[in-house]
Amino acid sequence: AQTVTQSQPEMSVQEAETVTLSCTYDTSENNYYLFWYKQPPSRQMILVIRQEAYKQQNATENRFSVNFQKAAKSFSLKISDSQLGDTAMYFCAFMNWGAQKLVFGQGTRLTINP
Amino acid sequence: ETGVTQTPRHLVMGMTNKKSLKCEQHLGHNAMYWYKQSAKKPLELMFVYSLEERVENNSVPSRFSPECPNSSHLFLHLHTLQPEDSALYLCASSSRSGGAGDTQYFGPGTRLTVL
Repeated sequence: AQTVTQSQPEMSVQEAETVTLSCTYDTSENNYYLFWYKQPPSRQMILVIRQEAYKQQNATENRFSVNFQKAAKSFSLKISDSQLGDTAMYFCAFMNWGAQKLVFGQGTRLTINP
Repeated sequence: ETGVTQTPRHLVMGMTNKKSLKCEQHLGHNAMYWYKQSAKKPLELMFVYSLEERVENNSVPSRFSPECPNSSHLFLHLHTLQPEDSALYLCASSSRSGGAGDTQYFGPGTRLTVL
């Protein structure tokens, strides 16, 4: 079974700093998808970014980018120029090719301080 | 309304009560999901419906009973729950295009407390 591990339960940085959240996963599959979701205090889970495993290029969405290392089974999220609104729980998630099941990590609670 | 909506947002019930959670998606999707989010545990997939048919049931106790009457609505019927069932219940929806790693879009959740 696939597993997702987020080794940082909590992180805290100052506004405008850059922060990197770690995620590792375990799978024997070659084709799959990886996601980062954000859950602010409002509880709504919001997609931040997604990566297809067959793509070598790292996904980028504005201030959010990933460092996808397939051989190392690592999928970290970098947030540049962090903003107060980035304060949230961040979840890394895995989905097999052709599947509908998302497997989530434990989450990292990120706080952006003014 | 847009996106995925859930009602109620908060629910307190006794162990002998029967209640239902409702989810509605306005995205034209054809797959819907129930997840359970407990404190200090990863989100757990409970049920998956694709084209209104249940395709996955992750060994969920029978006191949880899902219903998907059409592609836009999903219910979770609750009866004789236990205090350990207290959690945030999240609904999600996606397209089902097969192999495409369809992104799931989540609702705001129902915070359930079982007394």
